[in-house]
Amino acid sequence: DGGITQSPKYLFRKEGQNVTLSCEQNLNHDAMYWYRQDPGQGLRLIYYSQIVNDFQKGDIAEGYSVSREKKESFPLTVTSAQKNPTAFYLCASTFRGGQNNEQFFGPGTRLTVL
Amino acid sequence: AQSVTQPDIHITVSEGASLELRCNYSYGATPYLFWYVQSPGQGLQLLLKYFSGDTLVQGIKGFEAEFKRSQSSFNLRKPSVHWSDAAEYFCAVGARAGKSTFGDGTTLTVKP
Repeated sequence: DGGITQSPKYLFRKEGQNVTLSCEQNLNHDAMYWYRQDPGQGLRLIYYSQIVNDFQKGDIAEGYSVSREKKESFPLTVTSAQKNPTAFYLCASTFRGGQNNEQFFGPGTRLTVL
Repeated sequence: AQSVTQPDIHITVSEGASLELRCNYSYGATPYLFWYVQSPGQGLQLLLKYFSGDTLVQGIKGFEAEFKRSQSSFNLRKPSVHWSDAAEYFCAVGARAGKSTFGDGTTLTVKP
């Protein structure tokens, strides 16, 4: 079955550590996105990529980094520079990265900083 | 810049009652509009979308939405709510590069 997988489902991090969240898709989608979700707030865009080896900052990119070395993969690193990283992180993809493209979402990773 | 407003943070309805979730958008051109549903601790699933044409669109799980350009609204409706519809609902407007701007969501509670 085609879809998006995110791992791990739960992640705990000590302050000062970098952590990497995995996102893989087998939908053959060109564009991929990372969102952060906090209680009572909508989804806020962290980074997005429309093509391999290229990505752009979203609205809240500070303290995060990404790479897009393969079409199927778009890992997100939460660095120690992110002051409040505890949140639910969602990865999504779209077929062509067009305005009319619906987004397909993974199941999410819940990150907790101890 | 585009924006989406969902005026109702939380709605409670009785099972079997009708439902309407409100969504207002701000966008300079013809909007591409979406409704997604999220169960607790899960990702989002598309319920329906509007691009053009018929202003009343049908989606999955018995949901429908009506686009009203004059009111900049795209409200989600369901004639009879089931307990399994309890979830959080997000309205979104599509933007360039496939990005979407999401509202803050409406949490639906269904009373037995």
